[in-house]
Amino acid sequence: DAGITQSPRHKVTETGTPVTLRCHQTENHRYMYWYRQDPGHGLRLIHYSYGVKDTDKGEVSDGYSVSRSKTEDFLLTLESATSSQTSVYFCAISQKGLAETQYFGPGTRLLVL
Amino acid sequence: GDSVTQMEGPVTLSEEAFLTINCTYTATGYPSLFWYVQYPGEGLQLLLKATKADDKGSNKGFEATYRKETTSFHLEKGSVQVSDSAVYFCALSAYNQGGKLIFGQGTELSVKP
Repeated sequence: DAGITQSPRHKVTETGTPVTLRCHQTENHRYMYWYRQDPGHGLRLIHYSYGVKDTDKGEVSDGYSVSRSKTEDFLLTLESATSSQTSVYFCAISQKGLAETQYFGPGTRLLVL
Repeated sequence: GDSVTQMEGPVTLSEEAFLTINCTYTATGYPSLFWYVQYPGEGLQLLLKATKADDKGSNKGFEATYRKETTSFHLEKGSVQVSDSAVYFCALSAYNQGGKLIFGQGTELSVKP
């Protein structure tokens, strides 16, 4: 199994509070991705990174920011959580990006009350 | 924009039945196509992939053929087992989008003994 961990695995928070989710990899892969999974929508890309300090937006990036200061860590921040951000969040990594297999972490369940 | 459409679930089959899960796509250029599987409570795992037209991906008895003329990548298995019960996601990686995956909504498969 690819070495990807996510923390926390479960979180309950209140509307308006900031939340940071962490993805950590031990594979030294260049590309890292954050997705959210919601019923009826499959997985949708929030942000991705193609190197340290290099990030770009995905299709559902509003309300989210990311940072990557080290190859192994990719942080997703909800600046002011809303109930619509209740979801399961998955981190993924790939070595070369284009057409490469992505390896997924175990996910973080976030509930915003 | 690029998109993936899967057949609606849930799909319920008896053990040893034949499985087909339909997947069609819309994309510019020549995407790579993937099937991922998600077992209950886990992240996604790559099941198989195909990177060019007429390629057949296969793994664990599952197969899918990249059909450019019908823009399809249907998943098939000749004889399903209870252990195949999971959610299956079709996805594409567009040529000019940095390896980002675009997912279908997922199809839940339940196999009964």
